[in-house]
Amino acid sequence: QVLLVESGGGVVQPGRSLRLSCAASGYTFSNYAMHWVRQAPGKGLEWLTVVSHDGGRKNYADSVNGRFTISRDNSHSTVFLQMDSLRPEDTAIYFCVKDWNLVAAPIYYFENWGQGTLVTVSS
Amino acid sequence: DIQMTQSPVSLSASVGDRVTITCRASPGMNNWLAWYQQKPGKPPKPLIYAASTLESGVPSRFSGSASGTEFTLTISSLQPEDFATYYCQQYNAYPPTFGGGTKVEVK
Repeated sequence: QVLLVESGGGVVQPGRSLRLSCAASGYTFSNYAMHWVRQAPGKGLEWLTVVSHDGGRKNYADSVNGRFTISRDNSHSTVFLQMDSLRPEDTAIYFCVKDWNLVAAPIYYFENWGQGTLVTVSS
Repeated sequence: DIQMTQSPVSLSASVGDRVTITCRASPGMNNWLAWYQQKPGKPPKPLIYAASTLESGVPSRFSGSASGTEFTLTISSLQPEDFATYYCQQYNAYPPTFGGGTKVEVK
C-alpha cells in the first residue's frame, strides 16, 4: 500500500524559506516521478512541480519557478520541496503526489496523494 | 495552458439522484482527463482516468465520458458518502491543469 507522509509545514514570515519533506513507502520509490500540488484555503488545486524518477529532470509551474526547488533522495525514499522567497499567496496545503507512470517520463496523472502539510505565510 | 471550465460550481442533490458534472477543455485535447473526489480535510482521491476508466475500488455508479472537448462525470445514484467536491484535471498537455471544482451538497 502506497503511503506518502509530508512534513515541514508551519508558519513562516514573508520572504523567508521553508523546506518540506515527503517520505514514501509501500512501493519502489525510485521507479516513479513525484509531484507537489497545493491547495489554498477553500480554493482549488494547483500543480507546482515534478521530479523524474531518477532526479534528472524537473519542471515547475510559472507561479513558483525560480523560488521553489524540488529534489529527491532515492536512497531514503524521500522527496523535498525547498521554498524560498515565500509570499502570502503561497499559503496553502502542500500535497506530495506520486505519478502513475512506471519509470518512463511522468504523465501527470496523480495516482497517490499524501495527506498534505499546511504552510502559512504571514507576518 | 489548457483551461478547464468545470460546471456547475455547486449543486444540491438527494440520495438516489443522478448527478452530472461537466468539464470543458480547450480545443485539441484528447482523452487524457482525470476526475478526483475530495472530502473536507482529506486529499483528493482519484476516481477516473483516461476520461472513462475507473480506478480500482471505485464503485460502478461513477462513470466518465467524453464528447469532443466536453467531459462528463456521472454518479448514477448518489450515495451519502458521495457528498464531496469533484475536480477534473487534464494531463494531455503541459502544464497539467485542474477545473475549479464542483461541490455536491445535500438538498
